[in-house]
Amino acid sequence: AQSVTQLGSHVSVSEGALVLLRCNYSSSVPPYLFWYVQYPNQGLQLLLKYTSAATLVKGINGFEAEFKKSETSFHLTKPSAHMSDAAEYFCAVDHGGTSYGKLTFGQGTILTVHP
Amino acid sequence: KAGVTQTPRYLIKTRGQQVTLSCSPISGHRSVSWYQQTPGQGLQFLFEYFSETQRNKGNFPGRFSGRQFSNSRSEMNVSTLELGDSALYLCASSLGARANEQFFGPGTRLTVL
Repeated sequence: AQSVTQLGSHVSVSEGALVLLRCNYSSSVPPYLFWYVQYPNQGLQLLLKYTSAATLVKGINGFEAEFKKSETSFHLTKPSAHMSDAAEYFCAVDHGGTSYGKLTFGQGTILTVHP
Repeated sequence: KAGVTQTPRYLIKTRGQQVTLSCSPISGHRSVSWYQQTPGQGLQFLFEYFSETQRNKGNFPGRFSGRQFSNSRSEMNVSTLELGDSALYLCASSLGARANEQFFGPGTRLTVL
């Protein structure tokens, strides 16, 4: 069964510091992977997606993620944190096959950015 | 292009009642997925509709149902509400293929008293 594990439910960084949010997945088929961000009282916004093209994926707001098949990981990074990056981040995997429209999400990581 | 809209944004119901939530997808999107988000269980998939047909369903009791109309708008219904149904209900629309990203609405916050 496909699953997603996000290591660290809370991550705290200083403004200007590197952001690293970890995501590991398990999938019986080549995965399609996504990172979403959720601000308080809002829906989810797509940051980036991996769909078997380039392993290094660039997204919006300076975020990027690298797909590493050998490590079954898809960690999200940003070189320099901004106060506006404070939010909850979700990694998700598309099951594929006949599991239409279903994303399996990790438990989320709350990012706090200190001035 | 307008985003995904959900109505109402907030609902308060009592146990035993039923509720209907509405979702209007992005124009041209034929797939609508529904998710329940709670602090304890996180984001869980409810079901997906494509061209008025339910293609996939998550592990939720039969009290949770949905439908999709010819204009791709979707509704979900929860009957005989329980306290545990209190959650943020999110719908997402997409073009329907596996590689297509899902675009989420702002959600409906349901509180069951």
